[in-house]
Amino acid sequence: DAGVIQSPRHEVTEMGQEVTLRCKPISGHDYLFWYRQTMMRGLELLIYFNNNVPIDDSGMPEDRFSAKMPNASFSTLKIQPSEPRDSAVYFCASSLVGSGSFTDTQYFGPGTRLTVL
Amino acid sequence: AQSVAQPEDQVNVAEGNPLTVKCTYSVSGNPYLFWYVQYPNRGLQFLLKYITGDNLVKGSYGFEAEFNKSQTSFHLKKPSALVSDSALYFCAVRDGGGADGLTFGKGTHLIIQP
Repeated sequence: DAGVIQSPRHEVTEMGQEVTLRCKPISGHDYLFWYRQTMMRGLELLIYFNNNVPIDDSGMPEDRFSAKMPNASFSTLKIQPSEPRDSAVYFCASSLVGSGSFTDTQYFGPGTRLTVL
Repeated sequence: AQSVAQPEDQVNVAEGNPLTVKCTYSVSGNPYLFWYVQYPNRGLQFLLKYITGDNLVKGSYGFEAEFNKSQTSFHLKKPSALVSDSALYFCAVRDGGGADGLTFGKGTHLIIQP
């Protein structure tokens, strides 16, 4: 199993530019989560999907952030326009909840380190 | 609302000694509790979880954790520390087993001294 795949691993951009982060969940998993990690705020949940449908986006900091999951094997997190305070490590995680299987451990990708200058 | 507290920013242990990393939680329903480890410039790796059943949970790399409902704690333990255990450890909680996202503690740096 390849695990959760994220790209790019590192992204450096200038303020005002659009940034797109990508995630491929573990095959067969039905939940996908986006988290952000900063020194000040730790790990925060941004949004999560179930069967490609956004369930809770209350953690998305503002309208500059958007996320999509067009199919079961791909999700994007987009920031437009980007700001220096968006600099962080963004993690994608997936899990299988299914029909009460309780195999609901979230498995994390390696993260994308975003730097906005 | 749910929350997790990891009261120690850093824990120092000599190699071969037992280690404990503390975690307390707050949820309104039944707690689902998790420990993850993060090595530098890497993602989070799952160590173990408590869902129900035996209060002592065994996980990867010789780690275990004890669920204590009365003290709302879920401390991570290992009988004999290795230098390679040095990393950042996160405790996380979810309420009631739903597929909501995890709420994480701030993390504890574990340093194992040779």
